[in-house]
Amino acid sequence: DAGITQSPRHKVTETGTPVTLRCHQTENHRYMYWYRQDPGHGLRLIHYSYGVKDTDKGEVSDGYSVSRSKTEDFLLTLESATSSQTSVYFCAISESRTVEAFFGQGTRLTVV
Amino acid sequence: SQQGEEDPQALSIQEGENATMNCSYKTSINNLQWYRQNSGRGLVHLILIRSNEREKHSGRLRVTLDTSKKSSSLLITASRAADTASYFCATDNTSGTYKYIFGTGTRLKVLA
Repeated sequence: DAGITQSPRHKVTETGTPVTLRCHQTENHRYMYWYRQDPGHGLRLIHYSYGVKDTDKGEVSDGYSVSRSKTEDFLLTLESATSSQTSVYFCAISESRTVEAFFGQGTRLTVV
Repeated sequence: SQQGEEDPQALSIQEGENATMNCSYKTSINNLQWYRQNSGRGLVHLILIRSNEREKHSGRLRVTLDTSKKSSSLLITASRAADTASYFCATDNTSGTYKYIFGTGTRLKVLA
């Protein structure tokens, strides 16, 4: 299995609180991605990174920010969590966009 | 909007039968990938087919790509109960960005 770890694996938080999810890789891959998965929507891209300090928005980036200060870590922050952000969040990594991506096990976030 | 759309949304077959699922996409691509997701788990890469390829095999999997129709199909032959999972297609695009866009998935159930 690719060395990719998401933390935490489960979190319950209150509306309006900030939340940070972490994705850590040991593969030294250049590209990292954050997706959310919701019933009926499949996986939707939130943000992605193509290098240290290089990030860009995906399809559903509103309400989310990311940071990548070193190759191995990609952080996803919900500045002020809302109930609509209750979801399962997946991190993925890849060497390039011409090869496969490897996924973490997911973080189940519940905003109450 | 999402790049890929899988069809059917759900499929139920008997063990030993073949399963076929389809993916349609909207823009020009460099490659198309298929992933499997078991319930509650992360996604696992199955196969990648490049835009200049028409067919690819991997074990019991056969993938075809028709770039003129912007569609792909995944065939699983001699299905097993362990093939029960959701299957997603993912595409990049030729615009130069570094992101994979996923479809909404096909839920396959193989009955023993």
